[in-house]
Amino acid sequence: AQSVAQPEDQVNVAEGNPLTVKCTYSVSGNPYLFWYVQYPNRGLQFLLKYITGDNLVKGSYGFEAEFNKSQTSFHLKKPSALVSDSALYFCAVSLYGASKIIFGSGTRLSIRP
Amino acid sequence: DAGVTQSPTHLIKTRGQQVTLRCSPKSGHDTVSWYQQALGQGPQFIFQYYEEEERQRGNFPDRFSGHQFPNYSSELNVNALLLGDSALYLCASSFGTGRVYEQYFGPGTRLTVT
Repeated sequence: AQSVAQPEDQVNVAEGNPLTVKCTYSVSGNPYLFWYVQYPNRGLQFLLKYITGDNLVKGSYGFEAEFNKSQTSFHLKKPSALVSDSALYFCAVSLYGASKIIFGSGTRLSIRP
Repeated sequence: DAGVTQSPTHLIKTRGQQVTLRCSPKSGHDTVSWYQQALGQGPQFIFQYYEEEERQRGNFPDRFSGHQFPNYSSELNVNALLLGDSALYLCASSFGTGRVYEQYFGPGTRLTVT
């Protein structure tokens, strides 16, 4: 069975500092991996995805994530955090040909000025 | 090009009632998936519709049913509402059933059951 773990309920970072939001996954097969962001009272916004190829994936708003197969991780990173990055972030996994995406429980990112 | 649209934005229902939520997929998409996001949790897959048929279903009771119309729009119906059905319901569309990597999400419908 597929699963995603986001070990941190909340991450607090000062503006201008680098940020990392952690994600590990478990699948039987080659995964598709995603990061989504959700602002209050809004739907999900797609940030980035890993399908195949280069392990470092660049996405929207300066975010990037690195696929690490040996550690089954897909951590989200940004070199310099902005207050406007404060939101709820979801890591998700799927498989080739699958109909559904499995989401983690979410990590609340708080950037202080 | 309109993205995925959902209606209504919010609604409040009473326990035991029935509710219908609506979704219009992104232009060019023919597959609609529904997810439930309870407060403080990640979205959970309810089911997917393609060619007007339910193709895959998550771990949800039969009280949750759906429909897809010839224009690819979809409805989610929930019968005999429980307090635990209070959640944000998200619709996602894609072209083809196995292309979740190109899935677009709508803004959601927030359902409150009192």
